Amino acid sequence: QVQLQQSGPGLVKPSQTLSLTCAISGDSVSSNNVTWIWIRQSPSRGLEWLGRTYYRSDWYYDYGVSVKSRIALNPDTSKNQISLQLNSVSPEDTAVYYCARVVTETGKPYYIDVWGKGTTVTVSS
Amino acid sequence: EIVLTQSPVTLSLSPGERATLSCRASQSISNWFLSWFQQKPGQPPRLLIYGASTRATGIPDRFSGSGSGTDFTLTISRLEPEDIAVYYCQQYRTSPLEVTFGGGTKVEI
Repeated sequence: QVQLQQSGPGLVKPSQTLSLTCAISGDSVSSNNVTWIWIRQSPSRGLEWLGRTYYRSDWYYDYGVSVKSRIALNPDTSKNQISLQLNSVSPEDTAVYYCARVVTETGKPYYIDVWGKGTTVTVSS
Repeated sequence: EIVLTQSPVTLSLSPGERATLSCRASQSISNWFLSWFQQKPGQPPRLLIYGASTRATGIPDRFSGSGSGTDFTLTISRLEPEDIAVYYCQQYRTSPLEVTFGGGTKVEI
């Protein structure tokens, strides 16, 4: 059974960097038939896709337009986890952050089948 | 950007009744990339339906999905008290890459 264990601070100051980690059990971060994504949820923005990373003989990354200039996803094969870094945060980045797994078939993304429990992050001084 | 509009925003029904939730896309999307999720307070979304009509593992058969093109429907044939939740549709487009969710329908009993 695949599980995603999230960790990271719940409070970040404005202009600083938000850092979260998603530890994977029951699957490999470099599995060839999945992608790993981060999503956030807030009352004002709803469910918002932030980015994805996946391994297909090399690592690939894609980021959402709203955060593209501030985000980085970093897979760590030694620890079987993925970290999220979001720079220069503002109160608008206050949200519940989720990591999740996307099943792919024939090279195409298919569905999101496993979610972490979520981390509530508040941006405030 | 593909916008998913869900209706109604809130659905109030009695146990045993049929619930019909709508998800309308601003442009045509492939059934392959359309999923439905259920979210209860304090929990992450839970996959119900993928590929527009395939039930995920462990999902009761009172949940069904249908539709194509721009109009998709999630039906709960006989509401149970545990079905109180917010339901989201979600689409995945590969070129250009875009993942979006609808605004949700809250089901009340």
